[in-house]
Amino acid sequence: EDQVTQSPEALRLQEGESSSLNCSYTVSGLRGLFWYRQDPGKGPEFLFTLYSAGEEKEKERLKATLTKKESFLHITAPKPEDSATYLCAVPQGGSEKLVFGKGTKLTVNP
Amino acid sequence: GAVVSQHPSWVICKSGTSVKIECRSLDFQATTMFWYRQFPKQSLMLMATSNEGSKATYEQGVEKDKFLINHASLTLSTLTVTSAHPEDSSFYICSARTPGMDTQYFGPGTRLTVL
Repeated sequence: EDQVTQSPEALRLQEGESSSLNCSYTVSGLRGLFWYRQDPGKGPEFLFTLYSAGEEKEKERLKATLTKKESFLHITAPKPEDSATYLCAVPQGGSEKLVFGKGTKLTVNP
Repeated sequence: GAVVSQHPSWVICKSGTSVKIECRSLDFQATTMFWYRQFPKQSLMLMATSNEGSKATYEQGVEKDKFLINHASLTLSTLTVTSAHPEDSSFYICSARTPGMDTQYFGPGTRLTVL
């Protein structure tokens, strides 16, 4: 069964304190791994797609990386506006459905 | 990027009434649309998948007669919650994609409160 596990569930950082979020996945035949950001009361906002081990994508203070078993979302010198829940998802084998992790709630204090 | 809208953004209704939520893809034609439900502090739960012009495919445990989904055009899908009850109160989110897109793009969500 396809599974996505995210850790930690919650993370509190001081502004400027870099850290990483983890997404471990088990899927037969990876067809992409997706990172989304979700703000309270809003729908998920697409951030990155990663397709193969070793691939990296960057956007502002965020960098996503992928290995054969997990993905990391690195946050460099975060700011309070980076506070959100970050979701990781993979396509379920053979379908268009996405399997989501439970997310990591990031809080960045000024 | 691909833009998906939802209307209304929030709705309050009385128990026993029906509520319709619209999901529109604004700058692309969505061959497939998805409807999710999200409870507080939980992740997204897929309710159904709909392809334009076809009947929706519902996930196990989701009542087809209660959550009516229509995907009549390539830019519009609707979710109708029939005979709503307080336990249907939730945050409903749609997403859309079309072949060639990496992934699904999500709408802003609709907060439904049933009194």
